[in-house]
Amino acid sequence: DTEVTQTPKHLVMGMTNKKSLKCEQHMGHRAMYWYKQKAKKPPELMFVYSYEKLSINESVPSRFSPECPNSSLLNLHLHALQPEDSALYLCASSQGTGRVGETQYFGPGTRLLVL
Amino acid sequence: RKEVEQDPGPFNVPEGATVAFNCTYSNSASQSFFWYRQDCRKEPKLLMSVYSSGNEDGRFTAQLNRASQYISLLIRDSKLSDSATYLCVVTFGGFKTIFGAGTRLFVKA
Repeated sequence: DTEVTQTPKHLVMGMTNKKSLKCEQHMGHRAMYWYKQKAKKPPELMFVYSYEKLSINESVPSRFSPECPNSSLLNLHLHALQPEDSALYLCASSQGTGRVGETQYFGPGTRLLVL
Repeated sequence: RKEVEQDPGPFNVPEGATVAFNCTYSNSASQSFFWYRQDCRKEPKLLMSVYSSGNEDGRFTAQLNRASQYISLLIRDSKLSDSATYLCVVTFGGFKTIFGAGTRLFVKA
């Protein structure tokens, strides 16, 4: 099973709202990733967790707050977003060894619209 | 200069054609290389990993040239279902991941 699930599929929120995106995998992977993808652009890495510890933060604004409560779950907490944050948010996971050839598996994404 | 650069596309080819995509990367410390395919409004899906020895999976062949910092993907006997965006992906430092801008392929009957 190479499935990564994400909820919700779609989310509309106002600039003053607080919401959370959720990601789950049951492949025993120990690395999990958040990406942001704008229309007609490639995914851009936001955060990486390795063994439930934040390993990479690509200078993401603090209105995005990641959380990894356990090895299977990854959340992205959203607060005071801007309309330009509207995008597809993709979660991915990989084995977590960091070795050559380690493959990432992507979830279907959450399509976020900020009004 | 972008860290990962791809042919701009789009490529419009007839069914049965052979098409080649190229990708260059700037960080010599790059350690892993992949081609992903992304259909419209879907998530990226792994097409194949890329190794210096080259690898082939059916109609798809990928090649890595570390000296030239160049990756390629060859698709033979194109099918309508091959129409998608092809993303060149490079990782380094364990988990840092950079996607190329992607090349759109349209295969027409």
